[in-house]
Amino acid sequence: AQSVTQLDSQVPVFEEAPVELRCNYSSSVSVYLFWYVQYPNQGLQLLLKYLSGSTLVKGINGFEAEFNKSQTSFHLRKPSVHISDTAEYFCAVNPSGGYNKLIFGAGTRLAVHP
Amino acid sequence: NAGVTQTPKFQVLKTGQSMTLQCAQDMNHNSMYWYRQDPGMGLRLIYYSASEGTTDKGEVPNGYNVSRLNKREFSLRLESAAPSQTSVYFCASSEEASDTDTQYFGPGTRLTVL
Repeated sequence: AQSVTQLDSQVPVFEEAPVELRCNYSSSVSVYLFWYVQYPNQGLQLLLKYLSGSTLVKGINGFEAEFNKSQTSFHLRKPSVHISDTAEYFCAVNPSGGYNKLIFGAGTRLAVHP
Repeated sequence: NAGVTQTPKFQVLKTGQSMTLQCAQDMNHNSMYWYRQDPGMGLRLIYYSASEGTTDKGEVPNGYNVSRLNKREFSLRLESAAPSQTSVYFCASSEEASDTDTQYFGPGTRLTVL
């Protein structure tokens, strides 16, 4: 069965510092990869997704992620965070060739401090 | 354009009571989904509807039923609520059931079962 591991449950960081949120997945088949963000008391919103092509994917709000097939990873990065980036971030995979049935990681809570 | 809406926002039930969570989307999407979100576990798929007139089980369907009332609306019913169903419930929709499609989420319903 597919699974997604987000290696850090919480990441504290100071404003304007860089951040990396780590995501690894287990799969023996091709997958599509997604990062979603959940701001407090809101639903999830897509940040970016990898379907094919360039392994570096750029998303909204200055975030980017790099797909690494050999390490089965899809880490999310931002070079300089803002207070407004404080939220929970979810990595998700969708095995290719099937229905749209996302498998989510447990989430990483990013706390940006002034 | 409201996107995905859910009612109610909050609900408290006693064990054994029943209730229906409502979801509607105004994006003319074909596919709709119900997830539950529990601390430390990310989101897990309860049921989905690939298109109007069809529904299928997800990862955690026990204790739930769904109805795809029409293209816009997808409801989730708890026939006899249990404390283990205390959770935050999210509805989502996508244009198609394709594994590459983005899912759009509602704001969630926070359910407590006493």
